[in-house]
Amino acid sequence: AAGVIQSPRHLIKEKRETATLKCYPIPRHDTVYWYQQGPGQDPQFLISFYEKMQSDKGSIPDRFSAQQFSDYHSELNMSSLELGDSALYFCASSLAGGPGNEQFFGPGTRLTVL
Amino acid sequence: KQEVTQIPAALSVPEGENLVLNCSFTDSAIYNLQWFRQDPGKGLTSLLLIQSSQREQTSGRLNASLDKSSGRSTLYIAASQPGDSATYLCAVGTSGTYKYIFGTGTRLKVLA
Repeated sequence: AAGVIQSPRHLIKEKRETATLKCYPIPRHDTVYWYQQGPGQDPQFLISFYEKMQSDKGSIPDRFSAQQFSDYHSELNMSSLELGDSALYFCASSLAGGPGNEQFFGPGTRLTVL
Repeated sequence: KQEVTQIPAALSVPEGENLVLNCSFTDSAIYNLQWFRQDPGKGLTSLLLIQSSQREQTSGRLNASLDKSSGRSTLYIAASQPGDSATYLCAVGTSGTYKYIFGTGTRLKVLA
């Protein structure tokens, strides 16, 4: 079965640089979520999109922005990177109204900011 | 505001033991609860999903129960094996929002 695809899997950036993370949801899933997991921490919700519209917003810094495109893939854009942005970034997808509204998680993108 | 905690934070047991991991949440208006396993530096592996209308779910040696009224879920692992060593996270989907709130995790080590 198709899973959530994230690219790149690993990314190394310098401070103050920008980064773009991509997420390709499971086919026919209409909702995408982004989570950030810092070292030794639990995943924290950043933002979600349903049918290309922002549906919920968590603790996402103003330096970050995201969108969902017409093919339902999503991109998380991160600017003016800081050392503290180093984390594992997960994307998840779901089908609104699907069984239990289960979220399916991608393998994550590990971002390292030097 | 939904808060999710897991007890214990860490657990070390000999191989073969049956064990229980606990997840507590403050807002009982949930639409589901999902248990995950995470190996160090790796992604999230979904173990079990319990919908709000369900009381428990089983998969192999794993059994998860849900008591919404008391704000608790337990993950029961039977006959633990060294390969079960990982961090176990519960995530709660609260009604009215789209996001998961994750628990603080239980770091499990099963000794051979």
